[in-house]
This record gives sequence, C-alpha cells and structure tokens, in this order.
Amino acid sequence: KNQVEQSPQSLIILEGKNCTLQCNYTVSPFSNLRWYKQDTGRGPVSLTIMTFSENTKSNGRYTATLDADTKQSSLHITASQLSDSASYICVVKEATGKLIFGQGTTLQVKP
Amino acid sequence: EPEVTQTPSHQVTQMGQEVILRCVPISNHLYFYWYRQILGQKVEFLVSFYNNEISEKSEIFDDQFSVERPDGSNFTLKIRSTKLEDSAMYFCASRVAGEVYEQFFGPGTRLTVL
Repeated sequence: KNQVEQSPQSLIILEGKNCTLQCNYTVSPFSNLRWYKQDTGRGPVSLTIMTFSENTKSNGRYTATLDADTKQSSLHITASQLSDSASYICVVKEATGKLIFGQGTTLQVKP
Repeated sequence: EPEVTQTPSHQVTQMGQEVILRCVPISNHLYFYWYRQILGQKVEFLVSFYNNEISEKSEIFDDQFSVERPDGSNFTLKIRSTKLEDSAMYFCASRVAGEVYEQFFGPGTRLTVL
C-alpha cells in the first residue's frame, strides 16, 4: 500500500534554531514530492515541489531534499521564527495524479 | 493574489441531513479536488474533477457523495445523508494544467454532524 510516514510526530524548538523534518514513502510509481505548511484550521500551503530528478530545492529558509533511491525526503528550516509554528506535511504524488499525504509533523517554535 | 475560497467556514448539521459545501476555485484553473481531514488525522483525497467529470475518486467517495460544477465558477461537494463520521474539515483545491503545478487549497469548511 502506498504510504507516507513522517517523523518526528511533533517537535519543539527555540526561536532562531534550525530543525530537520523527515519523510519516508513507499509510493510507487512516483511522480513528485511536495512539502506543505498547514496552519491550524487552515488549508495546506505549498512550500516546495520536487520531481524524481531533483535532489534539493529551497524556498527562503526552507530547504527540501529528496533521495529517490532510498525514498526519503527531508525539510530543513533555518533560523526558525515564531510564525513557523505549524504542521508540516509531506505529500507524494502518484504517477496517476493522486496525492498521498503524510500525517504531518507539528512544529512549535518558542521564544 | 487569487485564492480558492470556500463557504461556509463551519457547517453544523443533523445526522441524515444533506449538506452542500461550496468552493470557488481560482479562475484559470482546470483541475479541482476535494479532500477531507478528520480532526487529528491526515488529509485524505476524496475526488478529482476535470473537464466536467470525475477523473478519480477514493474509496471514501461512495454513493453518498457527489460533486458538481454547476455554473463554471462554483465547485460543490454534496453529502446526501450525513453520518457522524463525516465530521471533518473539507478542503477544496485547484490547479492549472501540467504535471508539477502545485494545488492551491482553500481555507476549508468544518463540518460537524450531530
């Protein structure tokens, strides 16, 4: 069964610190992998989209990596801000077009 | 900046009643989606819609669910006879054509079935 697993489930860091969120997937065939940020009670907002051939992609303080061989991705957040507090969701797109969502990592940035 | 809008933001209904959730996708988008997120759980795909027909649906999207694009701007999700387990956040999303274009999500409608 196609699945997306994320770790850790939740994370608390101090403002200004860096953090890395992990995503493992078993989706096959694979089209692309996305990271979304979801604020509480809001819809997900896209941070990055990576295809099979891309290893890394940045969007400001967010840097995503992808290892298609090991089926792992990470999202690195640099110099965290209070506004980074949210759920970060790894989403893998099947070749059919369907999106498979991970459970999300809840990040809390404390002052 | 254009955005996907959804109404209502919160819908409370009695079990067995019909509900219609409304979405206005971004105007030049061609692909439309409904997702749901039960409280504390992951987002789940319900249905995708393109060229006025369903292109894919999940096992969740049974005969109680239907979608419609009645007037070229609205995209609706109807649940015919709501069950307690239909209580969730329902998100609409849309995108332009192409393989890697991102889906833009609406703010969601919280459905509470009593």
